[in-house]
Amino acid sequence: SAVISQKPSRDICQRGTSLTIQCQVDSQVTMMFWYRQQPGQSLTLIATANQGSEATYESGFVIDKFPISRPNLTFSTLTVSNMSPEDSSIYLCSVEDPRRGSSYNEQFFGPGTRLTVL
Amino acid sequence: SQKIEQNSEALNIQEGKTATLTCNYTNYSPAYLQWYRQDPGRGPVFLLLIRENEKEKRKERLKVTFDTTLKQSLFHITASQPADSATYLCALPSNSGYALNFGKGTSLLVT
Repeated sequence: SAVISQKPSRDICQRGTSLTIQCQVDSQVTMMFWYRQQPGQSLTLIATANQGSEATYESGFVIDKFPISRPNLTFSTLTVSNMSPEDSSIYLCSVEDPRRGSSYNEQFFGPGTRLTVL
Repeated sequence: SQKIEQNSEALNIQEGKTATLTCNYTNYSPAYLQWYRQDPGRGPVFLLLIRENEKEKRKERLKVTFDTTLKQSLFHITASQPADSATYLCALPSNSGYALNFGKGTSLLVT
């Protein structure tokens, strides 16, 4: 299994500002994923972050709005830029089981960052 | 477009009964399907994975079925307990094959 921590756990931000969310894993993993969970909605994949390469963004998400860093195999950041109230959501990072090599891997999730934009 | 549908209404059952949750999907040919549990204020926790060539899988009080013809998975919790109260999410592999697409989840309340 993998233990994942996220910082901050929650924040209240003003419109137009940016927030960087950190995700730390206790073991080395190839892929890290960033999801958004809006109130009453399911998890929506924002992007996949591989160490040493550009993040791959899903349809509807762009790098200018959600820049991602992946400096090493245990850490990633997601920035929510120029925030608006519509960005209020829970942001979660996840990783595949680092012990396995199959694409059938289960995923482990961090506790999430609850963001409120005023 | 691809869709994953789960019962949006909360499921209320009595302790000791079997809870059955449904996951239907369209425009997918998944190699596997996963079920997760999510408690309020926490990230999802993996429960079970079932592959396309498996009809049924069990883990303690949990049972999952996978019908690729009907494009449906059923998730059963037998002898349910109040501690089983949570939201249960169905997930299928994304187009990349590495990330997951999730249903909205079904809220289960055991009293």
